[in-house]
Amino acid sequence: QKEVEQNSGPLSVPEGAIASLNCTYSDRGSQSFFWYRQYSGKSPELIMSIYSNGDKEDGRFTAQLNKASQYVSLLIRDSQPSDSATYLCAVRPGGATNKLIFGTGTLLAVQP
Amino acid sequence: DADVTQTPRNRITKTGKRIMLECSQTKGHDRMYWYRQDPGLGLRLIYYSFDVKDINKGEISDGYSVSRQAQAKFSLSLESAIPNQTALYFCATSDDGQKAFFGQGTRLTVV
Repeated sequence: QKEVEQNSGPLSVPEGAIASLNCTYSDRGSQSFFWYRQYSGKSPELIMSIYSNGDKEDGRFTAQLNKASQYVSLLIRDSQPSDSATYLCAVRPGGATNKLIFGTGTLLAVQP
Repeated sequence: DADVTQTPRNRITKTGKRIMLECSQTKGHDRMYWYRQDPGLGLRLIYYSFDVKDINKGEISDGYSVSRQAQAKFSLSLESAIPNQTALYFCATSDDGQKAFFGQGTRLTVV
């Protein structure tokens, strides 16, 4: 089992719809969770972080965390073609480590 | 100017050659990381460093070595490049081990 799993997609949504991206993780001791956006050929860019159960909203983005079920999700409201990118879920495992474990990413395609 | 700068941005090298990828940062962060990215495999950690005296292996360190010359500089070396080291390489920094800030990436091709 991979430490951080994401569906590779592509996830195709029409412009204006809600895009829902999901991620599961294996380490129950994980405390910190992040979503990065990566445009083709570019570097990953942090868009959301979440540390406690529940929802965290920032503009059109909402991160949701459920530690009991070991999943974290990202909702993008009013999706725009400019949101088309690969979204990477990253988890900081429990323990003393300070490294991030990344999922393989989900490719989102927003259709005009 | 970018806060995390990688050089070179693109490199083609021959099998067996030694190559160094360089990373410098102006963010003042102590923690620095090297990742490689391959299609379908995501970002995988090669090495990481918490300060100039602290170097740690990541999940795929075989065939690579690193040097932390200063707080701001962290270089990755391929001692004898092989074709399956063809990948996109990213350097990243962090101030608290939480959020990572990435360089622009180095596209390396080993022929």
